[in-house]
Amino acid sequence: QSVLTQPPSVSGAPGQRVTISCTGSSANIGAHNVVHWYQQFPGTAPKLLIYGDNNRPSGVPDRFSGSKSGTSASLAITGLQAEDEADYYCQSFDSGLSGYVFGTGTKVTVL
Amino acid sequence: QVQLQESGPGLVKASQTLSLTCTVSGGSITSGTYYWTWIRQHPGKGLEWIGYIYYGGNTHYNPSLRGRLTISVDTSKSQFSLRLISVTAADTAVYYCVRLAPLGVVTSRWFFDLWGRGTLVTVSS
Repeated sequence: QSVLTQPPSVSGAPGQRVTISCTGSSANIGAHNVVHWYQQFPGTAPKLLIYGDNNRPSGVPDRFSGSKSGTSASLAITGLQAEDEADYYCQSFDSGLSGYVFGTGTKVTVL
Repeated sequence: QVQLQESGPGLVKASQTLSLTCTVSGGSITSGTYYWTWIRQHPGKGLEWIGYIYYGGNTHYNPSLRGRLTISVDTSKSQFSLRLISVTAADTAVYYCVRLAPLGVVTSRWFFDLWGRGTLVTVSS
């Protein structure tokens, strides 16, 4: 069950900045639970992109950044590149459901 | 480096039991630092957390699957397993075994840092 809502798709030209929103509630993002982000290419497993709201694992380019405010979070990609075309998922913990929850997913298209 | 590899039947008949195993290589499943989880992705859909296990046997399951689900660990083989009974077509998905990594003491803050390649399980009628 996806209790975190993301836009189905976003697009941008190479070099542009795009943002992906992740809207939750007081039971998850708003309950002081951190947000993580994953990138998934077709036919492959998701890969950790951002953890703890705004931290990048080693090897993730600094054009990816995360932020959080209230019951929502955002992933920004600055200087969009063709290789960034993928699906992106946010993830947090839902206290009401007592489990980890993912966003509905957003497909990023590079025009 | 640590790798996770899923194994098990790719086809299961409806009402029967789905069983998958994840083998952890290149590192110890008993390190104590991580929890070991299962996540699934229905075809063309988003991700669903199934449950996790600690090497000592502690488990936490998705409430929506509780009653049908068992996750177990075999530290001697560096493996953990998923068993889902009474499957239906709604259980058709790619199943991933995933490492849950710490971010502070509270597990609700933790994140999925290492994923297996995934295995497609189809439930046939």
